[in-house]
Amino acid sequence: SQQGEEDPQALSIQEGENATMNCSYKTSINNLQWYRQNSGRGLVHLILIRSNEREKHSGRLRVTLDTSKKSSSLLITASRAADTASYFCATDAWANFGNEKLTFGTGTRLTIIP
Amino acid sequence: DARVTQTPRHKVTEMGQEVTMRCQPILGHNTVFWYRQTMMQGLELLAYFRNRAPLDDSGMPKDRFSAEMPDATLATLKIQPSEPRDSAVYFCASGYRDSQLGEQFFGPGTRLTVL
Repeated sequence: SQQGEEDPQALSIQEGENATMNCSYKTSINNLQWYRQNSGRGLVHLILIRSNEREKHSGRLRVTLDTSKKSSSLLITASRAADTASYFCATDAWANFGNEKLTFGTGTRLTIIP
Repeated sequence: DARVTQTPRHKVTEMGQEVTMRCQPILGHNTVFWYRQTMMQGLELLAYFRNRAPLDDSGMPKDRFSAEMPDATLATLKIQPSEPRDSAVYFCASGYRDSQLGEQFFGPGTRLTVL
């Protein structure tokens, strides 16, 4: 089963508005990562937040992590047309130390309307 | 500008044929992953290597898929025989693990169509 589940599955907003995507996961993690995928391209790493961190910023991105609720959110402020893409969360499961692997969620398809 | 490269970018083949996909990870990375992406299943981990040793290939159909790293600069994913249900985009990614698994760098993918 998927370790990460994003919500919503699809989101359309006007350019300039903020976009918020959520991710829930099931097991204890070392870290949680967010990736972006433009249509027909590979995934691009956006930001990594460790299990002992609660919030992290990178440019227009803000990520929060609530390990008690096993959830994370990605906020993109002042959205631009170029932000149109699919966004995935990925968790690095703690269960097998030294043998971690990332498990990707199902993704949120974000469309920015000019 | 270090990046993961994959060849071929596109492959169309007939059912039953052998398919070999190649990946050159970023120099210095010690972990290499193979993923498959489809509309129905999303992104699935097929196999991964650390320091060229296979750590987990539980995501691969064992009877037809095989993954190897003959050297640090080349990872291969082979399907023999291929089937129409193997049609997907196959991504290779590399990363470096020290105390934790960090970010992964994805290649552009191989779009495979099996007729």
